[in-house]
Amino acid sequence: QVQLQESGPGLVKPSETLSLTCTVSGGSISIYYWNWIRQPPGKGLEWMGYIYSGSTNYNPSLKSRVTISEDTSKNQFSLKLRSVTAADTAVYYCVRDPRKSGSDYGRHFDLWGRGTLVTVSS
Amino acid sequence: EIVLTQSSGTLSLSPGERATLSCRASQSVSSSSLAWYQQKPGQAPRLLIYATSSRATGIPDRFSGSGSGTDFTLTISRLEPEDFAVYYCQHQDTFGGGTKVEIK
Repeated sequence: QVQLQESGPGLVKPSETLSLTCTVSGGSISIYYWNWIRQPPGKGLEWMGYIYSGSTNYNPSLKSRVTISEDTSKNQFSLKLRSVTAADTAVYYCVRDPRKSGSDYGRHFDLWGRGTLVTVSS
Repeated sequence: EIVLTQSSGTLSLSPGERATLSCRASQSVSSSSLAWYQQKPGQAPRLLIYATSSRATGIPDRFSGSGSGTDFTLTISRLEPEDFAVYYCQHQDTFGGGTKVEIK
């Protein structure tokens, strides 16, 4: 079955760039929408953005700092968040939205990675 | 920007009881776009319901969703011990703040 696994540094210094990669196994990233969602400790969920067939869409509140990209040869997609502060400390999840182009359904998230905690601290 | 409000911060219920969780949108939303998730401590969220009332794969039928316009409901007909968790509603790029269902 399809599985998602996040990887990347667990500690990032303030003002630097947070970089995470999601490896998708058991299925191709060439279909579906692939998302990053984060959750600060003890708080709720925040959608960050997605990539779909090379096209991206970002949360307006993060748009100036976020880039999501894909490497189809490795079946991976990645997140870069620039100029991080302590407020960016969170568990970061890579997540699948199972819609296909033209779907009648709205965005929803059926498959989640286990999440990786990234702490922003000097 | 649509805001989702889950007004019942915590519900204290006993196993076997019925749980009714609410999610109110700041403006009318499409029923095809409202989803619910369950999250247990230390785990990723799990999709329960999408398009207001469609159960995700493997979700027991004690979970049901309903609603339209601005008011949506997740109902757990009889709480099992494993159902005590935090529940989030979601519309497009927005999540509600969550409702915790705890053991009374």
